[in-house]
Parts: sequence; C-alpha cells; structure tokens
Amino acid sequence: QKEVEQDPGPLSVPEGAIVSLNCTYSNSAFQYFMWYRQYSRKGPELLMYTYSSGNKEDGRFTAQVDKSSKYISLFIRDSQPSDSATYLCAMSKGGDDMRFGAGTRLTVKP
Amino acid sequence: EAQVTQNPRYLITVTGKKLTVTCSQNMNHEYMSWYRQDPGLGLRQIYYSMNVEVTDKGDVPEGYKVSRKEKRNFPLILESPSPNQTSLYFCASSPLATLGEQYFGPGTRLTVT
Repeated sequence: QKEVEQDPGPLSVPEGAIVSLNCTYSNSAFQYFMWYRQYSRKGPELLMYTYSSGNKEDGRFTAQVDKSSKYISLFIRDSQPSDSATYLCAMSKGGDDMRFGAGTRLTVKP
Repeated sequence: EAQVTQNPRYLITVTGKKLTVTCSQNMNHEYMSWYRQDPGLGLRQIYYSMNVEVTDKGDVPEGYKVSRKEKRNFPLILESPSPNQTSLYFCASSPLATLGEQYFGPGTRLTVT
C-alpha cells in the first residue's frame, strides 16, 4: 500500500464547475499538507500549504485536511480552462521527508 | 527573477556513461532536493540537502550521487546510468523555515539506452 493515494483521473469538467480533488494517506505522523499544480512540460508549483487539520482558502482554491480520516481535499471554484493541469498532493512529517501522490490530471473545457 | 535552473533539459545517453545534471537556485535557500517523476508513481525523492556539505538519502538513492559544496548548487551525478534511470528529474529548493514550500526547476528528461 502506498503511503499517499491519489486518483489519477483523468477528470474532465465544464468551465465554471466546482472541482474536488482528493488524497488519502496512511501515516498518521504527517502534519504538513501541500497541493502543487503542474502544467505540461513544467515543474510543479506550490498552490496551497497547510499545517495540521482544518481549512485554508486562497481565492478560488480551498484546501481541507481531515487528519482523523487521513484525507485531504482541494476544491476549485469557478474552474477555468487555465486550471487544466495535473494536481499533486504532498505531505510530510517535518518537511524534509515529502511524500507525493501520483497526481490527478484535470481538464476544464470551455 | 527567483528561480531554480537545471541543465540540460533533455539528455539521451547510453548505459554506463557517467553524466551530471546541474541544479542552481538564486533564492539563498538552505534546502535542496532531487526527485524523479515516473508515470503512476508520482514524485519520488532521490537525495536532499539541508545545507552546504550536508546531504542525505531519500526514497530512491541507488545509482545516484550528489554533492553540496556551494549553497546555490546541487548537482546530481549518475556514475553508471542504466535504462531504469530513464525518467523526468526535478530539482527543488526551499527555505529551512518552510520546507513544504518547495520551488521546482523545469525538469530534465533523461533517456538511457
């Protein structure tokens, strides 16, 4: 069993839809949770960075962490074609031991 | 512009021919790391460095070497590349205070025949 599980998709939605991306994990020691966005032929870029449980909002993006269920989510409101990318969840215990999900490929159709 | 650079971006080589992929960052970050990305497996950490002269193994270090002689540079060395090292490689850096906020380079696509 992988430490971090992420549905690879692909996920296709119409423009304006709410997108929900999810990851589950097995190691209860994880306490830092990140979401990265990776465009084709580019390196990942950090979208959201959260510590422990709870919600964090940044514009159209909301990250949720439920440590009791070992489950994290990223919601994208009013999705745009420019949001089409692969989304990677990542987590760590202390920061230097990052574990990444395999990534979910998202396409937002105009 | 704050950035992480990698060279080369694309490399095709043959089994056993030593190669080095360079990585440089201009953000004065203490932490640097190398990852490989393979389909279905996501990003896996190869080696990381918390500061100059301090390096440690990640999840998949076999067949790789690194060195950190200067803060800005963190080269990845493949002494004797094999076909199973064909992959997309990323270098990343981060301040020590916020290790999860990693800045990634553009990637190096390596093919070993």
